[in-house]
Amino acid sequence: DAKTTQPPSMDCAEGRAANLPCNHSTISGNEYVYWYRQIHSQGPQYIIHGLKNNETNEMASLIITEDRKSSTLILPHATLRDTAVYYCIVRGFLGAGSYQLTFGKGTKLSVIP
Amino acid sequence: DVKVTQSSRYLVKRTGEKVFLECVQDMDHENMFWYRQDPGLGLRLIYFSYDVKMKEKGDIPEGYSVSREKKERFSLILESASTNQTSMYLCASSFFVGQGYEQYFGPGTRLTVT
Repeated sequence: DAKTTQPPSMDCAEGRAANLPCNHSTISGNEYVYWYRQIHSQGPQYIIHGLKNNETNEMASLIITEDRKSSTLILPHATLRDTAVYYCIVRGFLGAGSYQLTFGKGTKLSVIP
Repeated sequence: DVKVTQSSRYLVKRTGEKVFLECVQDMDHENMFWYRQDPGLGLRLIYFSYDVKMKEKGDIPEGYSVSREKKERFSLILESASTNQTSMYLCASSFFVGQGYEQYFGPGTRLTVT
């Protein structure tokens, strides 16, 4: 499975865009990039995923480089509720049609008032 | 909204006890997963199930078993709890639709084995 590298922590001012980078240089052609976040004492929450093209939903935007070796999650207007650990995941195949999410250490995002 | 619920938020058990952790999802998902989360180690997959009565081992199945008798319910069993099984246990579920799906997680059960 492809590995991911993320900075351990980042700060962002409330109301500003938070840009969270992720390196996945060994990603293979059919592997998706997923982003989850985990707010303290809660289960992980799905944010967004993509293969090649940039994606946007109501929570965030995902920018994937053309060579797919890195990506950036963008929270356009960070709020205090966005303080969480953000995980960038490249999904691996388990067999029987199932896929494993391998969570690394993630980036702890602190949104500052 | 997708809802994944777990039977307990906090649980304290003694060494050697048999422990049942239950997970229920209400979205008719085919896939269900059990993970454990420990500081510095991230989430690790224990077992997963892609259909009723079907199960597959994940990365760390030793000391655990699972049961899936109904589509909506996936149980994790610690046959004889040990202190090294003190952890946060997270259940997740997803559709079986190939590549493009997401896993939905429950709130977690923090298990302490004394």
